[in-house]
Amino acid sequence: TQLLEQSPQFLSIQEGENLTVYCNSSSVFSSLQWYRQEPGEGPVLLVTVVTGGEVKKLKRLTFQFGDARKDSSLHITAAQPGDTGLYLCAVSGGSNYKLTFGKGTLLTVNP
Amino acid sequence: GAGVSQSPSNKVTEKGKDVELRCDPISGHTALYWYRQSLGQGLEFLIYFQGNSAPDKSGLPSDRFSAERTGGSVSTLTIQRTQQEDSAVYLCASSLLGPPLHFGNGTRLTVT
Repeated sequence: TQLLEQSPQFLSIQEGENLTVYCNSSSVFSSLQWYRQEPGEGPVLLVTVVTGGEVKKLKRLTFQFGDARKDSSLHITAAQPGDTGLYLCAVSGGSNYKLTFGKGTLLTVNP
Repeated sequence: GAGVSQSPSNKVTEKGKDVELRCDPISGHTALYWYRQSLGQGLEFLIYFQGNSAPDKSGLPSDRFSAERTGGSVSTLTIQRTQQEDSAVYLCASSLLGPPLHFGNGTRLTVT
């Protein structure tokens, strides 16, 4: 069983649309990170959330950590082609240093 | 400032051959990670180095895989007797202690 379940697996939308992707688990985490990976590159950190119920905004991206610290969502407003990429959530499970990743949501924003 | 550098960016090898993948972490980062990314499988943890401590090798899939880190800086991941299922992108990351991680652009390994 996967520690982190991300949904949807694939998402293709038109420029200007809004979208939400999810990262779910049955485990409780002290913190959760979101990364974005573009083709041919490594993942790049977008945000870290640590407090249950926390909401963080990064321009058109809004990240929320669930009250119980078991899940998180990423909402993008007015998506742009530059938002295209693989969105990965990750947690430090068990040990503080080992990061476990979900399989990701592959987002395509069409112009 | 330089980021994490990995070489080669692409490697094609024949089944049964050995390969070495190199990672230059960000200067001053004491933690170094190797992950493997296969299609539809997400990022799979392979190994973790922290300073002079014994590495966490718990993610290495078989004894054909090994890694070393010389002088607390450059790391080499070696795969012996490569198999087709070893084809993947191998990502290296570094950090000051633990997450967040700073990733290189990976080495795409293709075993024919």
